[in-house]
Amino acid sequence: AQKITQTQPGMFVQEKEAVTLDCTYDTSDPSYGLFWYKQPSSGEMIFLIYQGSYDQQNATEGRYSLNFQKARKSANLVISASQLGDSAMYFCAMRGGNEKLTFGTGTRLTIIP
Amino acid sequence: GAVVSQHPSRVICKSGTSVKIECRSLDFQATTMFWYRQFPKQSLMLMATSNEGSKATYEQGVEKDKFLINHASLTLSTLTVTSAHPEDSSFYICSASSGTGRETEAFFGQGTRLTVV
Repeated sequence: AQKITQTQPGMFVQEKEAVTLDCTYDTSDPSYGLFWYKQPSSGEMIFLIYQGSYDQQNATEGRYSLNFQKARKSANLVISASQLGDSAMYFCAMRGGNEKLTFGTGTRLTIIP
Repeated sequence: GAVVSQHPSRVICKSGTSVKIECRSLDFQATTMFWYRQFPKQSLMLMATSNEGSKATYEQGVEKDKFLINHASLTLSTLTVTSAHPEDSSFYICSASSGTGRETEAFFGQGTRLTVV
């Protein structure tokens, strides 16, 4: 079975500061993929970044980077230079051998001007 | 990125009626589509997986006779909530993948907010 844990239900960050959203996972699959999605109040799920379990380097996409620590089973999302538009729910997700995406409970990020 | 279109975005229906939600992949062929349900301030819960041309696979606890899923083509999957009741009110969202594999990105529709009165 797969499990994603996000321990931060809510976070408040000053605009322009960096923020780290925590995500830990548990799986018995030797190969898996880790995803981060952003969900604004409109409800749509916006793909942010992907990390494969065998990737040697941490994934980066613009202001987003993924701090992947395989031994600790963590895949934290780092947002640099936060903007007011970053305020949203953020979900960590994992896809393993059964091809299904398992989501964490999410973190509500609020950027303070 | 690929586009997945979901309609309607909002629907209000009377208790006892049925509601159909469509999920279309606009610029790629979706071999697999997933349907999720999300309660307020909660995470996405997978309801079922549909593959084109075959029966959907439902997650444990999801009533297949209540939530009918049809994946008739590589670009369209539908979810029909039959005999809807107020407890079915929720946010339903679909996702589509162009292939299999752990790295395959799932593209999401805009979601449908269903309110049963």
